Amino acid sequence: DIQMTQSPSTLSASVGDRVTITCRASQSIRSWLTWYQQKPGKAPKLLIYKASSLGSGVPSRFSGSESGTEFTLTISSLQPDDFAIYYCLQYNSYPFTFGQGTKLEFK
Amino acid sequence: EVQLLESGGGLVQPGGSLRLSCAASGFTFSSYAMTWVRQAPGKGLEWVSSIGSAGTFYTDSVRGRFTISRDNSKNTLSLQMNGLRVEDTAVYYCAKGSHISSAEPVRWGQGTLVTVSS
Repeated sequence: DIQMTQSPSTLSASVGDRVTITCRASQSIRSWLTWYQQKPGKAPKLLIYKASSLGSGVPSRFSGSESGTEFTLTISSLQPDDFAIYYCLQYNSYPFTFGQGTKLEFK
Repeated sequence: EVQLLESGGGLVQPGGSLRLSCAASGFTFSSYAMTWVRQAPGKGLEWVSSIGSAGTFYTDSVRGRFTISRDNSKNTLSLQMNGLRVEDTAVYYCAKGSHISSAEPVRWGQGTLVTVSS
């Protein structure tokens, strides 16, 4: 199975900050990676698909990139609505595997 | 508008069975792979099962106990869960893939809670 190592587990930041969250795959997943945002009591929402493609209706301050087996989600300027938990998912092969999640909280 | 509405969750004793359903609307259901993802209380997301053009797939911990199926005539996805264990307690989400051959979740339902407890 492919392991996804997500870091950090918690990130403290302020409105207007630029933040990055990273997922590292245990082997090649090509670009088959998505990023999700989840708020308390709600279903996850797709942000990024195929590593760097912006989901429908997702603000342009969100972006994704890749370098080998390392994938990054960047929020260019944090907004109050962005404080949530973020997950990556590899869908290169079954079983699909999620990262452990990153809780983005107010500093 | 894409809508996914899960139902069938509830409280069940260990060893019992439940059948989850997901009613889909707003898209051509038969043209998309579908997936179940679960989230135990206070924990992260866990992929459970997918169904699409390549067949059906399961995470190891549910294989042989859970069965995913779809009824394209009724736009309904199902998850039959047998031999339930305490560790199956979670919110179960139904999710739509991006294509019949690609099951990565792109739209999610609101979830249904399954509690396995004596």
